[in-house]
Amino acid sequence: EVQLVGSGGGLVQPGESLRLSCVASGFTFTTYWMSWVRQAPGQGLEWVANIKQDGSEKNYVDSVKGRFTISRDNAKNSLYLQMDSLTAEDTALYYCVSGGFRFHYWGQGMLVTVSS
Amino acid sequence: EIVLTQSPGTLSLSPGERATLSCRASQSVSSNLVWYQQKPGQAPRLLIYDASSRDTGIPDRFSGSGSGTDFTLTISRLEPEDFAVYYCQQYGSLSWTFGQGTKVEIK
Repeated sequence: EVQLVGSGGGLVQPGESLRLSCVASGFTFTTYWMSWVRQAPGQGLEWVANIKQDGSEKNYVDSVKGRFTISRDNAKNSLYLQMDSLTAEDTALYYCVSGGFRFHYWGQGMLVTVSS
Repeated sequence: EIVLTQSPGTLSLSPGERATLSCRASQSVSSNLVWYQQKPGQAPRLLIYDASSRDTGIPDRFSGSGSGTDFTLTISRLEPEDFAVYYCQQYGSLSWTFGQGTKVEIK
C-alpha cells in the first residue's frame, strides 16, 4: 500500500519558518520526481515545487521562489519543504505528492497556518 | 503562466445523468493535461492523464478528450460516489497550473 506520511505543519507567525517532512512507502521512491502541492482553505490547488529523483533539478512556483526550498533524502525515502519568511498567503493544506508534473500518489496533507 | 479556466463552476445533475466538464487553457498545452477528483476532506485522486488516458482502476464511465487549448471530462452515467469537485491541471509548461475546479452536485 502506498503511503505518504507527513509531519511538521502548525501555526506560525508571519516572517517565521517551518519545515515539512514526508516519508514515503509502498513504491520505489528513488525512481519518482516528487512535489509539494498546496490548497488554501476552501480554495483550489496550487503546485508549489518539485524535485528530480537525484535532487539535481528543482522547480518552484514564482510566489515561493527564494523563500521555500525543496529537498529529499533517498536513503530515508523522505521529502522536505523548508519554508522561510512565511506570510498569511502561505496558509494552506500542503500535500506531499509523487510525480514531477502529474501527481499520482497524495499524502493526507499538513495544515500550515500563518497568523499573528 | 498558463491559465486554465474550468466551466461550469457548478453542475447540478441527478444520478444516471451524463456530466460534461470543460477546461480551457490560455495557450496550447498539447495533450499535457490531467483531471483529478476531490471529495470533501480527502486528497485529490488522479483520474485521467495525457488528456485521455484513464489511470489504473478508474471506471470506464470517466473519459477525457481534447488537445491544444480545449479539453473535456465526461462522466457517462453519474454514480452517487461521483459527486465531487473536479480539477484539470496542465503540464505543458514549466510552471504547472490547475483550473479553479468544477463542483458536480446532486440535483
